[in-house]
Amino acid sequence: EVQLVQSGAEVKKPGESLKISCKGSGYSFTSYWIGWVRQMPGKGLEWMGIIYPGDSDTRYSPSFQGQVTISADKSISTAYLQWSSLKASDTAMYYCARQSGRYLPFDYWGQGTLVTVSS
Amino acid sequence: QSVLTQPPSVSGAPGQRVTISCTGSSSNIGAGYDVHWYQQLPGTAPKLLIYGNSNRPSGVPDRFSGSKSGTSASLAITGLQAEDEADYYCQSYDSSLSGEGVFGGGTKLTVL
Repeated sequence: EVQLVQSGAEVKKPGESLKISCKGSGYSFTSYWIGWVRQMPGKGLEWMGIIYPGDSDTRYSPSFQGQVTISADKSISTAYLQWSSLKASDTAMYYCARQSGRYLPFDYWGQGTLVTVSS
Repeated sequence: QSVLTQPPSVSGAPGQRVTISCTGSSSNIGAGYDVHWYQQLPGTAPKLLIYGNSNRPSGVPDRFSGSKSGTSASLAITGLQAEDEADYYCQSYDSSLSGEGVFGGGTKLTVL
């Protein structure tokens, strides 16, 4: 069974750093893209970027380029999304999702990680 | 403001048919990129509903169908049921965004 299990909710202060994770199981982790999607409170889905764990090829939406870093550790089948300096506007639910091919859909989703940034 | 435009809300009575539009441009849907649709029930992660414009993943009822024409796509739901009340999102890719992905703004479906 394909599963994407994300790390737990985080509460952080502005300016702090954060790295959240997404562990894949039940499939060949290095053969599928993993994407990250933001959903701000009461708002829609936003495509942030994707990574191919097989060779670490990473693509970002222009809106998120330079704001976050996407990475993966294929030895433990885990993808990451990280911030070096959080802002209150980063408060959102973040989902990871699997993508079979470069322009294919997200077919499996993680349960989401709620990030709250507040002083 | 998303590059894919969806109506904020649609509604219908049980048993009726509703459609949700997703309007793009020549740099995304019109450029030949496929459109995918997701259903997000309250408090849950999105779920793939339609892929490649008109294909249903295993387990999705045939009450859900998708189509694409020109720079737009549509999701149709027939035989509306209370459990269909959710947010629906279209997704595609855009060459003006370095070929990266984009979601529509989402449509809230209310079953009356």
